[in-house]
Amino acid sequence: QQPVQSPQAVILREGEDAVINCSSSKALYSVHWYRQKHGEAPVFLMILLKGGEQKGHEKISASFNEKKQQSSLYLTASQLSYSGTYFCGTGASGAGNMLTFGGGTRLMVKP
Amino acid sequence: NAGVMQNPRHLVRRRGQEARLRCSPMKGHSHVYWYRQLPEEGLKFMVYLQKENIIDESGMPKERFSAEFPKEGPSILRIQQVVRGDSAAYFCASSGQAQNTEAFFGQGTRLTVV
Repeated sequence: QQPVQSPQAVILREGEDAVINCSSSKALYSVHWYRQKHGEAPVFLMILLKGGEQKGHEKISASFNEKKQQSSLYLTASQLSYSGTYFCGTGASGAGNMLTFGGGTRLMVKP
Repeated sequence: NAGVMQNPRHLVRRRGQEARLRCSPMKGHSHVYWYRQLPEEGLKFMVYLQKENIIDESGMPKERFSAEFPKEGPSILRIQQVVRGDSAAYFCASSGQAQNTEAFFGQGTRLTVV
């Protein structure tokens, strides 16, 4: 069953903050966050692992609540380049990087 | 270019023809994943392969679809006798380890069935 993302869409002004949530009905082993711009490949943002380890490549933070089976992505001081659709992908133990993706959150940052 | 390479970027096929989609993983990566994305929707897992092995194909339709990752050369996703419902973007991702690590996506192949 795919994770549920909220909100489905959000519009920000440049410099504002946003939080995107990802909730699963299954126990989570890992959560992977990606951003996709229209017509392009999903770009890796961050991976959060059970036990608290995080790996990311950009100035974006996230949390992983194992008990609540949810993750949140925090975008602070948004820039125009943050616009796109954000997807969370959840991984089960032993399932490797075979991810079940949520439906996405569309983010638009306006000047 | 050390990224995941997919070709062709765009593919048009008539109903009933075959489509072959290719994916070369990042250098040093031996784990390949194929996903399908319908317009305005999320990515749906199809198949996970390592060199010469299909690890998990639970997301792949039982008929007309097949995938391989030979010892030499790219991974191939093959769709036989395409139908209009096969029209979608097909993405391949690769990772260096089986889990606990990021997977990088290619630019995708946009298949249109006419």
